[in-house]
Amino acid sequence: SQTIHQWPATLVQPVGSPLSLECTVEGTSNPNLYWYRQAAGRGLQLLFYSVGIGQISSEVPQNLSASRPQDRQFILSSKKLLLSDSGFYLCAWSVYTYNSPLHFGNGTRLTVT
Amino acid sequence: DQQVKQNSPSLSVQEGRISILNCDYTNSMFDYFLWYKKYPAEGPTFLISISSIKDKNEDGRFTVFLNKSAKHLSLHIVPSQPGDSAVYFCAASSNRDDKIIFGKGTRLHILP
Repeated sequence: SQTIHQWPATLVQPVGSPLSLECTVEGTSNPNLYWYRQAAGRGLQLLFYSVGIGQISSEVPQNLSASRPQDRQFILSSKKLLLSDSGFYLCAWSVYTYNSPLHFGNGTRLTVT
Repeated sequence: DQQVKQNSPSLSVQEGRISILNCDYTNSMFDYFLWYKKYPAEGPTFLISISSIKDKNEDGRFTVFLNKSAKHLSLHIVPSQPGDSAVYFCAASSNRDDKIIFGKGTRLHILP
């Protein structure tokens, strides 16, 4: 069966520090991969998605970036965190076909201080 | 511009009664719709979906209804149980891209 791992579960970082969140999927090949953020009162905001290695589509061009170095690995990064980057970050995957639901990881609670 | 709207931030329902969660969308290209349930500090869990070729899909206590002309869908939970207390997200996608867009969510409280 397929599983998704996301870490760390919680993170407290000072403003201006770098960020690296990692997500890996097991039990499937060539998944679509997604990063979402849930900020207070704002629902689930799509940040990035990827349909293959090295292919990244950005929905929110802020100081965040994403990379997909391997088929089942998706990394969310920032060079310098802002206070507004605080939130609950969720990685998700779906089968690379249309009409396929997303399956989410357990999320990372990021607090920028 | 919000393409998927859940206009009720919260909803309280008596245990055993029907819970009805509503969702509206603006993008006429959307043709696949999903509902997710989320507990605090956890990732959302997929509940049920519906394709635009249908107007109803049922799975146990959960039924999703789609009204394409009104660009409206709803999730019915019957009977409501205490464990149903959570935030429910509506989501939509189109066959033109791989994005799935979510609403802001509705917090459902099941009252004893």
